[in-house]
Amino acid sequence: KNEVEQSPQNLTAQEGEFITINCSYSVGISALHWLQQHPGGGIVSLFMLSSGKKKHGRLIATINIQEKHSSLHITASHPRDSAVYICAVGGSNYKLTFGKGTLLTVNP
Amino acid sequence: NAGVTQTPKFQVLKTGQSMTLQCAQDMNHEYMSWYRQDPGMGLRLIHYSVGAGITDQGEVPNGYNVSRSTTEDFPLRLLSAAPSQTSVYFCASSYSSGPGKETQYFGPGTRLLVL
Repeated sequence: KNEVEQSPQNLTAQEGEFITINCSYSVGISALHWLQQHPGGGIVSLFMLSSGKKKHGRLIATINIQEKHSSLHITASHPRDSAVYICAVGGSNYKLTFGKGTLLTVNP
Repeated sequence: NAGVTQTPKFQVLKTGQSMTLQCAQDMNHEYMSWYRQDPGMGLRLIHYSVGAGITDQGEVPNGYNVSRSTTEDFPLRLLSAAPSQTSVYFCASSYSSGPGKETQYFGPGTRLLVL
């Protein structure tokens, strides 16, 4: 079973700061997913990565397959970015394994 | 498109009662899954389906049944509710670009309290 670890568990930032959330996993994967869960509970997929880097607006996700590590960066953070960010990994069996999430709070 | 819908939004049960959590999607996705989310733990897979008529167990299947008679619907049945099943339940549907590459679309969740 793949073990997925996220760090930090909690992160508080000031508006405008650059934010990094990390995810590491123990077994080779076919893809890594980043998701966002808003305070109301809704979960949205942000990225799916097999290699390299993806960017969407102020969000950037990178993955290093050899080191089994991914990072999610938020540039120019804003209070509306406050949410739980979840990392998940997918293997060969159509089942995703999820990390416990990182609670991000961005203060104005 | 409504996306993924779940009913009810909130339910209180007594120990031993049974109920069905409904999930429907209108995106013609092959894959559907049920997860539970508990404080301090990641989302955990209960059951999943790769198409109509095909279901399989996830990480925590005990106490739950599923069936997939149509592409659109994937109900989750609690056979005899227990306090340990108090949780938030999410249904998700997905299309796949290959194993592990499913982009998941989540429903809004059902909060279940078992007394």
